[in-house]
Amino acid sequence: GAGVSQTPSNKVTEKGKYVELRCDPISGHTALYWYRQSLGQGPEFLIYFQGTGAADDSGLPNDRFFAVRPEGSVSTLKIQRTERGDSAVYLCASSPGQGSTEAFFGQGTRLTVV
Amino acid sequence: DQQVKQNSPSLSVQEGRISILNCDYTNSMFDYFLWYKKYPAEGPTFLISISSIKDKNEDGRFTVFLNKSAKHLSLHIVPSQPGDSAVYFCAATGGTSYGKLTFGQGTILTVHP
Repeated sequence: GAGVSQTPSNKVTEKGKYVELRCDPISGHTALYWYRQSLGQGPEFLIYFQGTGAADDSGLPNDRFFAVRPEGSVSTLKIQRTERGDSAVYLCASSPGQGSTEAFFGQGTRLTVV
Repeated sequence: DQQVKQNSPSLSVQEGRISILNCDYTNSMFDYFLWYKKYPAEGPTFLISISSIKDKNEDGRFTVFLNKSAKHLSLHIVPSQPGDSAVYFCAATGGTSYGKLTFGQGTILTVHP
């Protein structure tokens, strides 16, 4: 597709369960970002990949959160033992390469932990 | 610590008039600033940006002004149109984390016909 694609668009899960959120970046984009947006707030940085490696994971809130990008394209954000406070919209973005400042965002995955 | 702040949660403007959205930042390592626009149930879309070597950048109806000494930037939309109604986010990047964006809280702009 032409843009960044995120699946699922909505996810409802029970507290304590494990979830995976998927991001398909724009073809050829080497940089990939995950952000989290809570209600009434701006997106908050979680992790940044350059190729297959995590260049900056300083935004991950704790060790329940993990992300991978094994082939340098699709990325999966994994959340273990979900908590109600994890409920938010998870946004993925991609850009052409390191130093590219204009990131293209997907529509987000709305995660609700009940 | 909120490094990028948008102190106005909302702004209401009449169609055809000017909309001015403001943003303040505290991190002096930031040297590139962006504005994103977001409609409900969609991801943010890039609108306009400015480098710290400039104090103004214009693109059609949209102009961004940067005042480095005051650590302040603003987005001007002239003339405002009802289709401009959205949430506007200011974002900044720079230093060793180039590319990673730090966002403000957003301002909801409503343009009335």
